[in-house]
Amino acid sequence: AQTVTQSQPEMSVQEAETVTLSCTYDTSESDYYLFWYKQPPSRQMILVIRQEAYKQQNATENRFSVNFQKAAKSFSLKISDSQLGDAAMYFCAYRPYTGTASKLTFGTGTRLQVTL
Amino acid sequence: DAEITQSPRHKITETGRQVTLACHQTWNHNNMFWYRQDLGHGLRLIHYSYGVHDTNKGEVSDGYSVSRSNTEDLPLTLESAASSQTSVYFCASSDNDEQYFGPGTRLTVT
Repeated sequence: AQTVTQSQPEMSVQEAETVTLSCTYDTSESDYYLFWYKQPPSRQMILVIRQEAYKQQNATENRFSVNFQKAAKSFSLKISDSQLGDAAMYFCAYRPYTGTASKLTFGTGTRLQVTL
Repeated sequence: DAEITQSPRHKITETGRQVTLACHQTWNHNNMFWYRQDLGHGLRLIHYSYGVHDTNKGEVSDGYSVSRSNTEDLPLTLESAASSQTSVYFCASSDNDEQYFGPGTRLTVT
């Protein structure tokens, strides 16, 4: 069974600085997707970024980028120029690539605090 | 615009009562999922469906059931609510690509 581990329950960053959230996973599959979701106090789950395992290039979405290390099974999220609105819970998630098997396995989350 | 909705948003019930949480999506997605979110556990999969009349157990399915009579709806039923089922419940749907989440239902079992 796949597992996803987020070892940082809480992180803090100053506004305009850069922060990196860690995620590791365990799988025997060679093809899969990885995701980072943001959950602000509203509870809404918002997709931040996704990475296909077969792509060597790291995904980037504006101020959000990932460092995907397939051999190490590591998938960290870097937030640049942090803003107050980035304060939220962040969840790393794994999904098999296979056809209809689109179930997500989540990590336990990292709470990010952004300070002035 | 297509969306996924959950009702009620908040629910308080007593131990032993049957409770049904509704999930409705207008994406026309075949795949639908129910998760529960608890501190220290992230989101865990309860049940999922890949189409009408298809249902499957997730990792924490005990005490829950679902039925899929149409594409749009996947109601989650707690047959006999227990205090351990106090949680926030999320419904999601997908077309084998991105999962779209509902706003969540906070359920308290007293």
